[in-house]
Amino acid sequence: DAKTTQPPSMDCAEGRAANLPCNHSTISGNEYVYWYRQIHSQGPQYIIHGLKNNETNEMASLIITEDRKSSTLILPHATLRDTAVYYCIVRVAGSSNTGKLIFGQGTTLQVKP
Amino acid sequence: NAGVTQTPKFRILKIGQSMTLQCTQDMNHNYMYWYRQDPGMGLKLIYYSVGAGITDKGEVPNGYNVSRSTTEDFPLRLELAAPSQTSVYFCASGLTGLNTEAFFGQGTRLTVV
Repeated sequence: DAKTTQPPSMDCAEGRAANLPCNHSTISGNEYVYWYRQIHSQGPQYIIHGLKNNETNEMASLIITEDRKSSTLILPHATLRDTAVYYCIVRVAGSSNTGKLIFGQGTTLQVKP
Repeated sequence: NAGVTQTPKFRILKIGQSMTLQCTQDMNHNYMYWYRQDPGMGLKLIYYSVGAGITDKGEVPNGYNVSRSTTEDFPLRLELAAPSQTSVYFCASGLTGLNTEAFFGQGTRLTVV
């Protein structure tokens, strides 16, 4: 299974962009990068995903390097409500193509006033 | 549209008791997953299913059983509860394929005493 590496914690000032990095150097060609976040102990919330092109939606942008070994999640204008644990996940293809989501430890983002 | 519904939300079990955590989804998703999350840790995959009648083990299956008789329901069974199974349990569902997001329920908080 592809593994991801994220910094354990980051701070960001309210109103500024939050840039959350993720390394996934063993990713395979058909495996997608997903980002989820978890606020307090709620169920994880989907943010965005991508294969090799940069992606943007109403919540965030995802920048994937050309070699696909790393990516960055960008929250353009962080608010206090964005304080959460952010998980970078490689959705594993595997031999049976089951698409399991294997979570790592994530990055705790603290947005400060 | 209810999404992924888990019941109960909270439960206290005595050592050796058994119980079933219920999970149902109304989105006609083929894939369903069970995760557990211990305090301060990331989510660990217990079991998953790619369709009715098909289940497979995840990262931490010991002490649990699952069944998938319908597309909508994916119950998780604890036969002999142990204190090590004290955790928050999340169910998730998603469509077939690597390019689709998974949706999570709000969790069941289980304490074994």
